[in-house]
Amino acid sequence: DVKVTQSSRYLVKRTGEKVFLECVQDMDHENMFWYRQDPGLGLRLIYFSYDVKMKEKGDIPEGYSVSREKKERFSLILESASTNQTSMYLCASSVGSVSGNTIYFGEGSWLTVV
Amino acid sequence: AQTVTQSQPEMSVQEAETVTLSCTYDTSESDYYLFWYKQPPSRQMILVIRQEAYKQQNATENRFSVNFQKAAKSFSLKISDSQLGDAAMYFCAYRDLERKYGNKLVFGAGTILRVKS
Repeated sequence: DVKVTQSSRYLVKRTGEKVFLECVQDMDHENMFWYRQDPGLGLRLIYFSYDVKMKEKGDIPEGYSVSREKKERFSLILESASTNQTSMYLCASSVGSVSGNTIYFGEGSWLTVV
Repeated sequence: AQTVTQSQPEMSVQEAETVTLSCTYDTSESDYYLFWYKQPPSRQMILVIRQEAYKQQNATENRFSVNFQKAAKSFSLKISDSQLGDAAMYFCAYRDLERKYGNKLVFGAGTILRVKS
């Protein structure tokens, strides 16, 4: 089975801290994504990457950055965490450029910024 | 930009009965994919069903089927013989064929489905 692993399930951070959310997939997928999920808003795309060292802004990139140094790992970085970044963050991956390919999701990381 | 709208924040269904979840979307593209994802309390997103826009035939997966109306830009999910395990948040999602969008999924706000025993 495809596995997308988010190393931290629950985090509590202070305002202004730098936060790293890590995601690893084990199926050699080219595409990786970071979404945040908020009640009433569904999932919104923060950043995505379709190759190593390649990244593209999604719909809500402000306050976030990403890193993809290796194909299997895609990190989301909050440079200076703020309370409005309290949310659940979902990582996902998929094969290549064929749109119909299934996107696989991790189990999510709950981040609380206090 | 593409948008997906789910107008039902919550739905309830009696066990063994049928329920339909609504979804509309907006796009100027002619070729795309549509999906329904299920998110149970564990938060693990699970693909329920997928529809290719160029196919006129509605997709079916066991008790799950869709009513795809391309002209109306409507994509509803029908769950037959509802089971307690169907209780979850359901998301409708859209995906372009064009690589320029990175094949990203655009999601609706979700519908919480409650199943009564």
